[in-house]
Amino acid sequence: DADVTQTPRNRITKTGKRIMLECSQTKGHDRMYWYRQDPGLGLRLIYYSFDVKDINKGEISDGYSVSRQAQAKFSLSLESAIPNQTALYFCATSEAGGYNEQFFGPGTRLTVL
Amino acid sequence: GENVGLHLPTLSVQEGDNSIINCAYSNSASDYFIWYKQESGKGPQFIIDIRSNMDKRQGQRVTVLLNKTVKHLSLQIAATQPGDSAVYFCAENTGTASKLTFGTGTRLQVTL
Repeated sequence: DADVTQTPRNRITKTGKRIMLECSQTKGHDRMYWYRQDPGLGLRLIYYSFDVKDINKGEISDGYSVSRQAQAKFSLSLESAIPNQTALYFCATSEAGGYNEQFFGPGTRLTVL
Repeated sequence: GENVGLHLPTLSVQEGDNSIINCAYSNSASDYFIWYKQESGKGPQFIIDIRSNMDKRQGQRVTVLLNKTVKHLSLQIAATQPGDSAVYFCAENTGTASKLTFGTGTRLQVTL
């Protein structure tokens, strides 16, 4: 019944591997976001998309890419994972407009060995 | 378990007391602010928001205060309960619609 789902929930991979994290939403929101969370640093924006044809870099996009396959789907890829990409990754959605809360998924814990 | 909040400031309060969590935001142009609660193993959950044309907003057991002069935001939780134990984040909208910048968070521990 979750409105924002993320897969996988946990992933362990090795340096140099390509990884894709997926996000799906049933809220009908146009806007979707990918964040990274590290201890002591809060959430930092990686990429965001205001609609299917709109992709924007966030604060820390280097080493990441995204794809907005449909209004409901937004995936994050690490083309060649490195250990300092070990973190919690969250997807979020919001309605269009400037004063709307973001709804978060449950997160993906990624470990790069 | 989660390692989120490993180096976070921690506020300990007794059950039934009121809690006040503070946040200093960075951008004087920010015009929208949100408080989120994050429980262990979960994503952030919306608590309350406030626009910059207001200085106070109340919800159920929660109040947000905004002081634009000193760029300070606070979250007050009345009659704190064990279920309030979590990490709390403030977030500001830094001008571009819906693009939030998050603070580093405060861990709230409720003791019985």
